[in-house]
Amino acid sequence: QKEVEQNSGPLSVPEGAIASLNCTYSDRVSQSFFWYRQYSGKSPELIMSIYSNGDKEDGRFTAQLNKASQYVSLLIRDSQPSDSATYLCAVNIGQAGTALIFGKGTTLSVSS
Amino acid sequence: DVKVTQSSRYLVKRTGEKVFLECVQDMDHENMFWYRQDPGLGLRLIYFSYDVKMKEKGDIPEGYSVSREKKERFSLILESASTNQTSMYLCASSLRTGGFAYGYTFGSGTRLTVV
Repeated sequence: QKEVEQNSGPLSVPEGAIASLNCTYSDRVSQSFFWYRQYSGKSPELIMSIYSNGDKEDGRFTAQLNKASQYVSLLIRDSQPSDSATYLCAVNIGQAGTALIFGKGTTLSVSS
Repeated sequence: DVKVTQSSRYLVKRTGEKVFLECVQDMDHENMFWYRQDPGLGLRLIYFSYDVKMKEKGDIPEGYSVSREKKERFSLILESASTNQTSMYLCASSLRTGGFAYGYTFGSGTRLTVV
């Protein structure tokens, strides 16, 4: 059974701090990795995708991928109260599959 | 603004009813997906389709079927609704590529209650 594991949290950080969210996956041949943000009562929204080992930056967000360790992370710099949400890690199924398997999510709370 | 539209935001059905959940996307995406989301269980894949009239089972297809007669429309069918199918149902779509997956665009969800 392919799995994506995340710490459920809650992860609490003060405004302006760096939030670090982590994810591990079981399928060694997966090639596509995503982070989604989901506000309470809303549907998930894509915030980052990453396909190669290393870092990918987009504004205050940095995704990090280490395929050897089967590990994906998301850093949120200068955290804002509006970043308070559940963050879902998603990984494609199989080497070239387009379907995604999702982790159960990490709840982030940013206090002002 | 590109969209994935789910026909109903809230739906209440009786046990044993046949239920249709509709999803339409205007992005000309090849791939479409149905998930359900439950507290503590996360998002689970029910069915997906990578082309018209094509379908693939996900992790939890039992009790469900799907239909894709047109590229933009993907329907989820609960053959005989049961209370354990009470859930939030999310439709999503994505582009098809040769070797990598694209991120999904999700619809706003249908909260189905079966009584």
